[in-house]
Amino acid sequence: DQQVKQNSPSLSVQEGRISILNCDYTNSMFDYFLWYKKYPAEGPTFLISISSIKDKNEDGRFTVFLNKSAKHLSLHIVPSQPGDSAVYFCAARESKRDFGNEKLTFGTGTRLTIIP
Amino acid sequence: AAGVIQSPRHLIKEKRETATLKCYPIPRHDTVYWYQQGPGQDPQFLISFYEKMQSDKGSIPDRFSAQQFSDYHSELNMSSLELGDSALYFCASSSRLAGEQFFGPGTRLTVL
Repeated sequence: DQQVKQNSPSLSVQEGRISILNCDYTNSMFDYFLWYKKYPAEGPTFLISISSIKDKNEDGRFTVFLNKSAKHLSLHIVPSQPGDSAVYFCAARESKRDFGNEKLTFGTGTRLTIIP
Repeated sequence: AAGVIQSPRHLIKEKRETATLKCYPIPRHDTVYWYQQGPGQDPQFLISFYEKMQSDKGSIPDRFSAQQFSDYHSELNMSSLELGDSALYFCASSSRLAGEQFFGPGTRLTVL
C-alpha cells in the first residue's frame, strides 16, 4: 500500500524553465512533508519542507505547495539549472507525541533531467 | 558542517553470513533512523532510536537487530543474510530542535 505516490517516474525540463514535481498522499494523519534530492551513490539531501498548517513554503529557487483537501503537494524549481538533475523524493510523516517516533514514508521518486 | 557518517560504504557478503553496518549521527543529534532501499524502490523505514532507546520499528526482519550506543552512534546487525537483503541501507539523524532528518551516504550491501 503506497501511501505516498509520485506518479511521474521521470521529467525533462529545459534549463531556465520551471520544473514542477508532484506528489499525492493517502494517509490523512500525515502533517509534515519533505522533499529530498538524491544523486547516484549518495544519500538523500534535504531540500525543503512544509507543515500542514501552511499551504506554501519558499526557499530560494524552491517552493513547495500543499493542498490538504486534495492530499497533494508539489515542488517548483525556478529557474531550473543543470545541477538540479537528480531523483527527487517526496516524503511524509505524522507528528507524534513521543519524539524519535517520526519515521518518513517516501514516494517512489521522480528523475528530473534538466536539458541545457 | 559535519554530516551523518556511515561505514562501510560498500559490503559484499555471502548468503548466511552476518554483517554489521555503522552510523555516526550529526553531533548533538539524538535520534537515528535506519532505512532500506531496494533496487528501483523508495526507502523503507526499518527502525529508529531516540536517546539510546528503540523508539519505533518498521518492516525489519527478525534476523536484523540494532542498537544505539552511549555516544549516539548506531549499529545495524544483520544475520543469516539472504539474496533479498541486497540493498542500500541509509541512516538518518535528527534532533528535537531540527525536525528534518539528515541522511548519510548509505551502505551498499551485496549478498552473493
